[in-house]
Amino acid sequence: KQEVTQIPAALSVPEGENLVLNCSFTDSAIYNLQWFRQDPGKGLTSLLLIQSSQREQTSGRLNASLDKSSGRSTLYIAASQPGDSATYLCAVNTGNQFYFGTGTSLTVIP
Amino acid sequence: DAGITQSPRYKITETGRQVTLMCHQTWSHSYMFWYRQDLGHGLRLIYYSAAADITDKGEVPDGYVVSRSKTENFPLTLESATRSQTSVYFCASSESAWDRVYGYTFGSGTRLTVV
Repeated sequence: KQEVTQIPAALSVPEGENLVLNCSFTDSAIYNLQWFRQDPGKGLTSLLLIQSSQREQTSGRLNASLDKSSGRSTLYIAASQPGDSATYLCAVNTGNQFYFGTGTSLTVIP
Repeated sequence: DAGITQSPRYKITETGRQVTLMCHQTWSHSYMFWYRQDLGHGLRLIYYSAAADITDKGEVPDGYVVSRSKTENFPLTLESATRSQTSVYFCASSESAWDRVYGYTFGSGTRLTVV
């Protein structure tokens, strides 16, 4: 069974810092990987989707990379803002279903 | 409004009662999913549906029943609620199986408490 791990579980940074969130998975046979943002009491908002053939995807201040062979993905957030405070989840698509990590809770301090 | 909506947002029920959580999507996506989110476990798949009248079990289906008579609706029923089913439930949809292009779109969730 695919296992997805996100480290750290929580992260607190001052506003303006660049930061990296990590996602690792045990089975490299994936179709794609998706990063989500979850605000407290809310649903999941899709941020970026990387296909297995891609190395990275960018959207605004966000950049996600994928190294399928080593089972890792990173989400890079540039020039962090207080509005980026949320929980970030990654999910890997094995073709049978998506497997989710438990998330990294990010707090950006003004 | 276009999108995926869940109701109710919050529900408190007693042990042993039947409760149904509703999910409605307006995109005509073929695939719909029910997940539960618990501390320490992340999101786990309960059931999914590939089309109207086609459903299948996910990772944690015990104690739940689903139906899909119409493409846009995918209700989740807890036939006899237990305290271990206290959780936040999310509905999701996608255009195709385990969408390889567009990924998932999620509803806002239903917070269920079983007392």
